[in-house]
Amino acid sequence: KNEVEQSPQNLTAQEGEFITINCSYSVGISALHWLQQHPGGGIVSLFMLSSGKKKHGRLIATINIQEKHSSLHITASHPRDSAVYICAVTKTSYDKVIFGPGTSLSVIP
Amino acid sequence: EPEVTQTPSHQVTQMGQEVILRCVPISNHLYFYWYRQILGQKVEFLVSFYNNEISEKSEIFDDQFSVERPDGSNFTLKIRSTKLEDSAMYFCATNGAGGGLFFGEGSRLTVL
Repeated sequence: KNEVEQSPQNLTAQEGEFITINCSYSVGISALHWLQQHPGGGIVSLFMLSSGKKKHGRLIATINIQEKHSSLHITASHPRDSAVYICAVTKTSYDKVIFGPGTSLSVIP
Repeated sequence: EPEVTQTPSHQVTQMGQEVILRCVPISNHLYFYWYRQILGQKVEFLVSFYNNEISEKSEIFDDQFSVERPDGSNFTLKIRSTKLEDSAMYFCATNGAGGGLFFGEGSRLTVL
């Protein structure tokens, strides 16, 4: 069983829509990361969470430690948000990252 | 913003050849990692490196793979004798104070 699961696997949205990507994990963690991978392949860290909620621009990430669940929200989506969004966890500080399978998002103008 | 830089961005090699992928981590970071992503699959852990030695490695990281930090700045991944199934994107990453993750842009390896 995968330690990190994401849903949906693929998502197509119209520009301007509110988007939610969900992540669930089955292990104890020190932190959860939301990452963005563009078609060229590079990976960028969006958020690191250990509790609560963080916001950066149009992106909001939340985590519920008791339920082992996190969500990434994108408000007022834009075609430039099209990318693969990856949920990943670390069990302890400086531990290796365990990656989820990613959610491929396509935002259509 | 500090960056992790990787070279080459793309390498094409013949099966059986040796390949060295290079990474320049962020200077004051101490924990370094290599990950790989086979096309269409999720990112997988290869190896972590701390204090000039391997701290953890995955089942993928067999005897064909090695890592070193030869000069205190570069962090290299060597594949001794490449196989077709080594074709993938290889990512170098570092872990900063507080656990922040920094990834390089990746090195795409194609083995023919």
